[in-house]
Amino acid sequence: EAQVTQNPRYLITVTGKKLTVTCSQNMNHEYMSWYRQDPGLGLRQIYYSMNVEVTDKGDVPEGYKVSRKEKRNFPLILESPSPNQTSLYFCASSSGWPTATEAFFGQGTRLTVV
Amino acid sequence: AQKITQTQPGMFVQEKEAVTLDCTYDTSDQSYGLFWYKQPSSGEMIFLIYQGSYDEQNATEGRYSLNFQKARKSANLVISASQLGDSAMYFCAMRELSYSGAGSYQLTFGKGTKLSVIP
Repeated sequence: EAQVTQNPRYLITVTGKKLTVTCSQNMNHEYMSWYRQDPGLGLRQIYYSMNVEVTDKGDVPEGYKVSRKEKRNFPLILESPSPNQTSLYFCASSSGWPTATEAFFGQGTRLTVV
Repeated sequence: AQKITQTQPGMFVQEKEAVTLDCTYDTSDQSYGLFWYKQPSSGEMIFLIYQGSYDEQNATEGRYSLNFQKARKSANLVISASQLGDSAMYFCAMRELSYSGAGSYQLTFGKGTKLSVIP
């Protein structure tokens, strides 16, 4: 079954404690990205990756890091989380140009930073 | 200007009836794709249907169909025979596919429509 798997689904942490949200896809997609969803602001892209070792900033990258060492994995790292990073996070993967007809999301990670 | 506009914050539909959720988009690209997602209260984003700008036929997936009117830049989602499980937020999204070498393939989302199915 084609899927994007995020872990954990729920996370409560304290300010400043480094954390990693993992993302893995089994569809051999080149393109992966991270979004955050906030009330009234919708979904905003944090970082994206066109392929292994190729990453770039999205619209709201401050406070986040990513890496893409393998095609299937794209972890999101918060080195020093702050309360304004409390949000619902989604990892997405999709086929690349020129088709890009699929775009699947993980189950979401609800992060609370206190 | 917003790239994706969903003008209906909330909609109600009777069970077993059809419902249309509106989406208009704004792009100067000739090559783009349009997506619809369902987000139930549990939070996950479920991919429903895709329409490419060059597709001549309207996309269909089971009870979902996309009414694509390119000249009007609209991509409305039609759900036939609504079920109670269709109650959710629905998001329209667009990906502009002009390849620029560093293109982000970013999905731009609308604000969503909350659909409530009444028994």
